[in-house]
Amino acid sequence: KNQVEQSPQSLIILEGKNCTLQCNYTVSPFSNLRWYKQDTGRGPVSLTIMTFSENTKSNGRYTATLDADTKQSSLHITASQLSDSASYICVVAAADGNNRLAFGKGNQVVVIP
Amino acid sequence: KAGVTQTPRYLIKTRGQQVTLSCSPISGHRSVSWYQQTPGQGLQFLFEYFSETQRNKGNFPGRFSGRQFSNSRSEMNVSTLELGDSALYLCASSARGQGYNEQFFGPGTRLTVL
Repeated sequence: KNQVEQSPQSLIILEGKNCTLQCNYTVSPFSNLRWYKQDTGRGPVSLTIMTFSENTKSNGRYTATLDADTKQSSLHITASQLSDSASYICVVAAADGNNRLAFGKGNQVVVIP
Repeated sequence: KAGVTQTPRYLIKTRGQQVTLSCSPISGHRSVSWYQQTPGQGLQFLFEYFSETQRNKGNFPGRFSGRQFSNSRSEMNVSTLELGDSALYLCASSARGQGYNEQFFGPGTRLTVL
């Protein structure tokens, strides 16, 4: 069973609208959570990285939240642009000394004019 | 500061052949991780190297191997290629290790096995 589940798998939004992507994880003990944006055919680019003590972090129009108690995170995109069309990947690091990461399968976002 | 570079960017091979992919991390980064990405499976962890030592390994067969040099550059080798090895291979570097701090990904090598 995947330790990181993302929803929705894909969504289409109108340019200028907002959207929220969800990430639920079971990784324990928790170290940090990252959100990446990956354009088609390119490597992922880091948007945010949050530790246990951080519950909100912004990067321009991207705002990530973290609830370590419920093991949930969200990524909010404000005033979407065509360039936001991409896959958004949630990654969770475990603090178990093994330095391992658990990857979600991504949220595929398509922004249409 | 230059980003992570991977060579080659595209590769076409036939079944049974072997292939070597190269990754140059960001200057000063000692950790290099390799991932396989396919449409159905997402990012799958292959292995991580830190200061020339393999620190972690994913669940891939022994046909997949890697190494890291003293300048932190890393290579990944796949022997006896299968059709299912067609994928985007990504490497990522970080200062202290993939779990500890931010990773920076390269553009990937697109491998097609015919």
